[in-house]
Amino acid sequence: DTGVSQNPRHKITKRGQNVTFRCDPISEHNRLYWYRQTLGQGPEFLTYFQNEAQLEKSRLLSDRFSAERPKGSFSTLEIQRTEQGDSAMYLCASSGAHHSNQPQHFGDGTRLSIL
Amino acid sequence: GQNIDQPTEMTATEGAIVQINCTYQTSGFNGLFWYQQHAGEAPTFLSYNVLDGLEEKGRFSSFLSRSKGYSYLLLKELQMKDSASYLCAVRDQSSWGKLQFGAGTQVVVTP
Repeated sequence: DTGVSQNPRHKITKRGQNVTFRCDPISEHNRLYWYRQTLGQGPEFLTYFQNEAQLEKSRLLSDRFSAERPKGSFSTLEIQRTEQGDSAMYLCASSGAHHSNQPQHFGDGTRLSIL
Repeated sequence: GQNIDQPTEMTATEGAIVQINCTYQTSGFNGLFWYQQHAGEAPTFLSYNVLDGLEEKGRFSSFLSRSKGYSYLLLKELQMKDSASYLCAVRDQSSWGKLQFGAGTQVVVTP
């Protein structure tokens, strides 16, 4: 068990560019979640998958954001035409689905900075 | 929706006890989680409550009262490494996936 892995750890890009982040969950976990966190705030839910199915999306996830989990293992989060307000830490988490008390285990996140 | 309130910051001395309160409003409660987050790091799971009462795990305990929409996290025998943000998160019945987090309580442990 190597934990949840996210790449890259940091991303700096110019406004208007597209960015893509990757998340590799804990291997036996079939649920995968994306959150966004800004300084001084708790994580805000963006979306989650059970296996390859995207089961819920937040209203925060505008049409510039898209997430995929094509084979039910790793996931990608893409942001198109980035804006300065997209600057944040993007956190991925995973959990098993068999018991309701299973916690979500978080990765170290990808910090996005928009110039 | 859910509103989750917790204090912004608390300061305590090494070896002391600190209690972090969390109040929430939810349309259908389905579990409350506490996470610890050091600056620049991932949140790490501390405890889970779904029924009323106290859950104890070593130096950390968490309490829940569903009728009052209230939980607390108790940290005993504080150590310097406990300086971190503590996040209260609630799950409701409409979603088995989404956690709604509070803004976090920054605990500062002083020598």
